[in-house]
Amino acid sequence: AQSVTQLGSHVSVSEGALVLLRCNYSSSVPPYLFWYVQYPNQGLQLLLKYTTGATLVKGINGFEAEFKKSETSFHLTKPSAHMSDAAEYFCAVSVSGGYNKLIFGAGTRLAVHP
Amino acid sequence: GAVVSQHPSRVICKSGTSVKIECRSLDFQATTMFWYRQFPKKSLMLMATSNEGSKATYEQGVEKDKFLINHASLTLSTLTVTSAHPEDSSFYICSAISPGENGYTFGSGTRLTVV
Repeated sequence: AQSVTQLGSHVSVSEGALVLLRCNYSSSVPPYLFWYVQYPNQGLQLLLKYTTGATLVKGINGFEAEFKKSETSFHLTKPSAHMSDAAEYFCAVSVSGGYNKLIFGAGTRLAVHP
Repeated sequence: GAVVSQHPSRVICKSGTSVKIECRSLDFQATTMFWYRQFPKKSLMLMATSNEGSKATYEQGVEKDKFLINHASLTLSTLTVTSAHPEDSSFYICSAISPGENGYTFGSGTRLTVV
């Protein structure tokens, strides 16, 4: 069965510092992987996704993630944090590949301080 | 881009009453929609998969008689919380498999408070 583990429920960085949010997945089929951001009392906004092809995926707002099959990881990075990046981030995997129901990780709350 | 409208954004109801939450795809047809529940500071828990014209598929542990899902058209899915109790208070989010690159489009969520 598919599952997602996000290491670190809270991450705090200084403005301008590297952001690294960790995600490991378990999937019995080639996965579709997603990173979403959620601001308080709002829905989810897609940052980026991996389906097939290039393993380094670039998304919105300067975020990128690399699919590493050997490590079953899909970590999210951003070279330089901005105050506006403070939010909740969710990694998700699509059940049985393709666009099916999503299984979400527990989420990581990113705090950015001056 | 694909837009999903979820209404209402907030609702307060009395214990024992029922509440309906609507999820509409505005510019595309959504054969499949999903309903999630999110507890405070927690992740999204999938409640059910809603398919147009057929019965919803509920996840294990979700009471189908309490959380009624109807997907009567290609643009509308509804979640009705029946005989609501305070423990049903939560943030409910819908999503749809959408055309284009994103794959999924999420509604903005509904904050349900049962008093």
